[in-house]
Amino acid sequence: GEDVEQSLFLSVREGDSSVINCTYTDSSSTYLYWYKQEPGAGLQLLTYIFSNMDMKQDQRLTVLLNKKDKHLSLRIADTQTGDSAIYFCAERSGSTNAGKSTFGDGTTLTVKP
Amino acid sequence: DTGVSQNPRHKITKRGQNVTFRCDPISEHNRLYWYRQTLGQGPEFLTYFQNEAQLEKSRLLSDRFSAERPKGSFSTLEIQRTEQGDSAMYLCASSPGTSGTDTQYFGPGTRLTVL
Repeated sequence: GEDVEQSLFLSVREGDSSVINCTYTDSSSTYLYWYKQEPGAGLQLLTYIFSNMDMKQDQRLTVLLNKKDKHLSLRIADTQTGDSAIYFCAERSGSTNAGKSTFGDGTTLTVKP
Repeated sequence: DTGVSQNPRHKITKRGQNVTFRCDPISEHNRLYWYRQTLGQGPEFLTYFQNEAQLEKSRLLSDRFSAERPKGSFSTLEIQRTEQGDSAMYLCASSPGTSGTDTQYFGPGTRLTVL
């Protein structure tokens, strides 16, 4: 079945870049997402990428996809203390009736001033 | 667009009681999803609806769980005879249900504590 793996923790200094990594197993994954979750809150969609793309940039966020290795990364430039949160990688297959997304267990990002 | 809303935000109940949660999706979103999230884990899929039809149910959804979306708008998730293992955050999401990314937008969740 589908599986999504992430490293559990990342700590960076304010102003540095953060790179959060994710691997997935489902070859039919067509859409890959990054969500952010702050304490006590729901999930906020940050960005997504199609499986036929290698890279997507959106302001301070850069997503890199290596489809051969099924590896996805999220780079946050100029990380701020407000970026401290849990980041989830998720995948969804592209078939018409595929509704569910499969999530990793999240990477807790701590930004130190 | 007011986003996905969920009620109540918190629910404390005693083991054996029944509980019901409500989710109001983004208006005109055809798909509605329920996920469960326990501490330290990512959301786990429970079920989803396309309009009023329940199209997929996870094996996690035991026979004590039932979800409905009678008019294709809001949805309810009921848990009967709650157990301590049901304690979790229950997340609802909605999506347009059209082709393409069909991105899911999440509500704030209902945190259930079973004593």
